[in-house]
Amino acid sequence: EVQLVESGGGLGEPGGSLRLSCAASGFMFSSYAMNWVRQAPGKGLEWVSSIRSSGSHIFYADSVKGRFTISRDNAKNSLFLQMNSLRAEDTAVYYCASELAIGYWGQGTLVTVSS
Amino acid sequence: QSVLTQPPSVSAAPGQKVTISCSGSSSNIGNNYVSWFQQLPGTAPKLLIFENDKRPAGIPGRFSGSKSGTSATLGITGLQTGDEADYYCGAWDNSLRVYVFGTGTMLSV
Repeated sequence: EVQLVESGGGLGEPGGSLRLSCAASGFMFSSYAMNWVRQAPGKGLEWVSSIRSSGSHIFYADSVKGRFTISRDNAKNSLFLQMNSLRAEDTAVYYCASELAIGYWGQGTLVTVSS
Repeated sequence: QSVLTQPPSVSAAPGQKVTISCSGSSSNIGNNYVSWFQQLPGTAPKLLIFENDKRPAGIPGRFSGSKSGTSATLGITGLQTGDEADYYCGAWDNSLRVYVFGTGTMLSV
């Protein structure tokens, strides 16, 4: 059974940092690109970042570029999102997802940025 | 960065058919595959359609996708109350070098 389990969400302060993790199982993690997608309360889906299977190509949404860093550890079947310089508008449920045309999604972890 | 436009809402009676449009440009839909996602209330998105018109295993044939030029369409026949959800299209954008989701459509049955 495919599983993607996010962790690391919670309350972060404006200007602060959080690190999200995603543990993958049930599929060949190292063969797939991976994504972070977020959804602010009551809003639509927003793609955040993607990383190719080898980690060689990385892309970011303009809204997070320069503040967030995506990475992966294929040996540990894990995906990460380092979130720095947090802003109130980063408040959202963050989903870990495989290549979006493959369709593996986690259940999401809530990040709330507030003082 | 929602550059894919969808109608905010659509509605139809149980058993009827509905279509949801997704309008983009040559940098996204026009030159890349489109996916469609269903998000039931309080749950993670679920892939309904990939590569414009293909259904993943387990997705009923009531769901169909098509693409023409810079627009795509999701069709749902035999509507059920369980289909009430938000639906999003998505595609890679070659110019922006980002993945773009549609604005989302709420389906009422």
